[in-house]
Amino acid sequence: QVHLVESGGGVVQPGGSLRLSCAASDFTFSKYAMNWVRQAPGQGLEWVAIISYGGENKYYADSVKGRFTISRDNSKNTLYLQMNSLRVEDTAVYYCARDPVAGNRHVPFYFDLWGQGSLVAVSS
Amino acid sequence: DIVMTQSPDSLAVSLGERVTINCKASQSLLFTSDNKNYLAWYQQKSGQPPKLLIYWASTRESGVLDRFNGSGSGTDFTLTISSLQAEDVAVYYCQQFYGTPATFGQGTKVEI
Repeated sequence: QVHLVESGGGVVQPGGSLRLSCAASDFTFSKYAMNWVRQAPGQGLEWVAIISYGGENKYYADSVKGRFTISRDNSKNTLYLQMNSLRVEDTAVYYCARDPVAGNRHVPFYFDLWGQGSLVAVSS
Repeated sequence: DIVMTQSPDSLAVSLGERVTINCKASQSLLFTSDNKNYLAWYQQKSGQPPKLLIYWASTRESGVLDRFNGSGSGTDFTLTISSLQAEDVAVYYCQQFYGTPATFGQGTKVEI
């Protein structure tokens, strides 16, 4: 059964940094674009970033541009999200999500596989 | 950004009843070059990640039961659950992927 498992979440002070990881298994990770989608407590879903299957193309939501960096290591079947200059409003569950259509593009389509999520809490 | 507005925000129906959730986009999601509507529907049960139900507005994801149906075109879309079951209690989201960034509706909570 295909899996995505996030890790790296936790509590961090405003202005701090955190790196999330998403380990993929039982599918050919290098053939899929990958995304991060977040959900603030009790709120809806917000797309955060996409990276193409080879890692060359990336795109970010305006709310995180310049602060967050998406990357991937296809040799390790792992997706990353480096989060710097964190703000209280970045508090959310962060999901990694597979995109079956985007391929080498930096344009997100729909998301057919989601991880269980990793909670990031930004608080002083 | 394309704004997605769902209605209603919540609804409570009896088991076996039909459920209709609406989703309206601030601009057309119909891509004329391929005649596809760039819209997806997700189900999120409490404490779980979202699950893809429908993509291209009306294509059911593999393994999704046929009581879930998507319809609509352009700016107006509908998710229909033909006969509500207890396990369908969840929040349902529409999502557009016509424009970047991808954006979601605010969600519709379905209860028994």
